[in-house]
Amino acid sequence: AQRVTQPEKLLSVFKGAPVELKCNYSYSGSPELFWYVQYSRQRLQLLLRHISRESIKGFTADLNKGETSFHLKKPFAQEEDSAMYYCALGGSNYKLTFGKGTLLTVNP
Amino acid sequence: GAVVSQHPSWVICKSGTSVKIECRSLDFQATTMFWYRQFPKQSLMLMATSNEGSKATYEQGVEKDKFLINHASLTLSTLTVTSAHPEDSSFYICSARQTSLLYEQYFGPGTRLTVT
Repeated sequence: AQRVTQPEKLLSVFKGAPVELKCNYSYSGSPELFWYVQYSRQRLQLLLRHISRESIKGFTADLNKGETSFHLKKPFAQEEDSAMYYCALGGSNYKLTFGKGTLLTVNP
Repeated sequence: GAVVSQHPSWVICKSGTSVKIECRSLDFQATTMFWYRQFPKQSLMLMATSNEGSKATYEQGVEKDKFLINHASLTLSTLTVTSAHPEDSSFYICSARQTSLLYEQYFGPGTRLTVT
C-alpha cells in the first residue's frame, strides 16, 4: 500500500532562516511525487513536481529513492511562505495520496 | 488557465435531505475528476474517482449509495450527498485532471457542508 508521511504537523521558523519540510513515502513502484500548498483561505495548488526538478518560489525538492524521501527546502524563508504544505504521491489511476500536511509559520 | 470551480461554496441543509455539489473545469476538458473530503485540520481523504461517461470508483469505506457521483460531461461532475446526517458535515473538495497531464490535478475551492 502506498503511504505518505509528513512527520511534522507544525513548523515555525523566523524570516530569513532555512526551512525544510519533511516527506517520506512508501511505494512499490517508481514514485511520482508532488508538493501542494494551501495558503490561508485559498484552494490547494501545485507547488512542485519531482519529475520537472524545478524551483518554484525558491523552493526545491529532491527525490531520494534510497531514503524514500522528498523533502521540501528553501534557503531563506519569507513571511508569505506561511501556509499548509502537503506532500502527495501519485498512484494507480492517477490518484494522489496526500500526507497529513505541515503548517509552516514564518515569523517576522 | 486550468481553473476548477465548485458550487455552492457553502450549504446548510437539514438532516435527511439531499444536497448536490457541482464541480466544473472552466477552461479545459477533464477526463477524470476526484472528490475529496477534508476534516478540520486534517488532510484530504480521497472519496472517489470519477471518469466521464462511466461509473465512479469509490475508495474503501465510502458508501456509494450515500455519495452519488455523476460525471456526465468532460467539464462537469456532481456529488450528491443523500439523506444527509450531521456526521456528513465536512469540507468537500473536487479536483480535475487534464487528459494530457498524467498526475497533475487542479483543485476547486471546496464546499462547506453543514447538516443540522
